[in-house]
Amino acid sequence: KAGVTQTPRYLIKTRGQQVTLSCSPISGHRSVSWYQQTPGQGLQFLFEYFSETQRNKGNFPGRFSGRQFSNSRSEMNVSTLELGDSALYLCASSAGPVRETQYFGPGTRLLVL
Amino acid sequence: AQSVTQLGSHVSVSEGALVLLRCNYSSSVPPYLFWYVQYPNQGLQLLLKYTTGATLVKGINGFEAEFKKSETSFHLTKPSAHMSDAAEYFCAVRDNQAGTALIFGKGTTLSVSS
Repeated sequence: KAGVTQTPRYLIKTRGQQVTLSCSPISGHRSVSWYQQTPGQGLQFLFEYFSETQRNKGNFPGRFSGRQFSNSRSEMNVSTLELGDSALYLCASSAGPVRETQYFGPGTRLLVL
Repeated sequence: AQSVTQLGSHVSVSEGALVLLRCNYSSSVPPYLFWYVQYPNQGLQLLLKYTTGATLVKGINGFEAEFKKSETSFHLTKPSAHMSDAAEYFCAVRDNQAGTALIFGKGTTLSVSS
């Protein structure tokens, strides 16, 4: 079974731009979560989607948003990029909410200049 | 609020030596506990998890962890380190009543020397 895939793997943007990252979950998985990883803050939860509905949201500004499609694929968007948004963005999928194990993709590394 | 503390940001061992990575958590309810490993330029790979039942959990690559409620600990061990174990290890907790968000520790980098 194919794992979680994320595109693109690497991205360079400039301040003020916006960016969209994509995540395809493991086949059959309906829950997708997003995390931000930085050297300073470590791994932080962004949000979680299940059946196209946002179920949970971390403590991030409104510039960070996401959505999930009917095929469970998910996208996250960051508008008005700031230098501090440079990070590895990880997507994780699970079969369902709450009690299921999350499996992570390879991540998208975003560099904001 | 839940939190995870990993003692020691960097652990160095010799090949063949015991690996011990420490993790303490705080949670008001019985938590689910996880250990993930991250190799350079890769995502997180699940090593093992504790949900309920047996407190000694065996994972992949010879790793195991023991859930000790009285000590609020979930330390990761491996009897004999291999060069390929060099990576960053993350302990995580999830309140299984409050949603799926994982709360991660800051991570421990394991170095293995020959």
